[in-house]
Amino acid sequence: SQQGEEDPQALSIQEGENATMNCSYKTSINNLQWYRQNSGRGLVHLILIRSNEREKHSGRLRVTLDTSKKSSSLLITASRAADTASYFCAFIYNQGGKLIFGQGTELSVKP
Amino acid sequence: EAGVVQSPRYKIIEKKQPVAFWCNPISGHNTLYWYRQNLGQGPELLIRYENEEAVDDSQLPKDRFSAERLKGVDSTLKIQPAELGDSAVYLCASSAGSSPVVYGYTFGSGTRLTVV
Repeated sequence: SQQGEEDPQALSIQEGENATMNCSYKTSINNLQWYRQNSGRGLVHLILIRSNEREKHSGRLRVTLDTSKKSSSLLITASRAADTASYFCAFIYNQGGKLIFGQGTELSVKP
Repeated sequence: EAGVVQSPRYKIIEKKQPVAFWCNPISGHNTLYWYRQNLGQGPELLIRYENEEAVDDSQLPKDRFSAERLKGVDSTLKIQPAELGDSAVYLCASSAGSSPVVYGYTFGSGTRLTVV
């Protein structure tokens, strides 16, 4: 399967703590994106990092990309109960324009 | 802006019955995607349209699945006959162009299909 792998599969933290999710992929990519999905809803685009970038910030989100290890991480700082959702990485391999999703990390932030 | 609109939100059918899902993309978005998301998994692409042309349907099980996008606007995904393993959430997305590098995807809320 071309799908990416994410870990952990599930993460439970207290409000105010940081949450880190990791994503790995198989071959060279063009860019990597992170999406959020609330229960029973569609996916919402959070942030995109290009293959020539190493780190990107957006509000409380920090994304890193290590192309040598074929991995990315999403850090949510000072988490809130409203951050409770599933988070998916998605990427495009260099040889094809198709957006491929990872299996997701289910984040639960307890108030 | 209404976003990507999908209907119905939920559908329960018996196996071997037909079912259809409808998607209306964001106005002006010429690229439309149908994804299937199994429980606890990430979405997997079924088909991609650029205007009315299906440019990537390699993952669409063509023996029972069909899709159309007449006039290059809204789209319908059909399953006939449905099998138990088709139970999933079917997501529609659209983008202004075909390059995900430049154009972000906007997803609809999906149709949750249960086949019993």
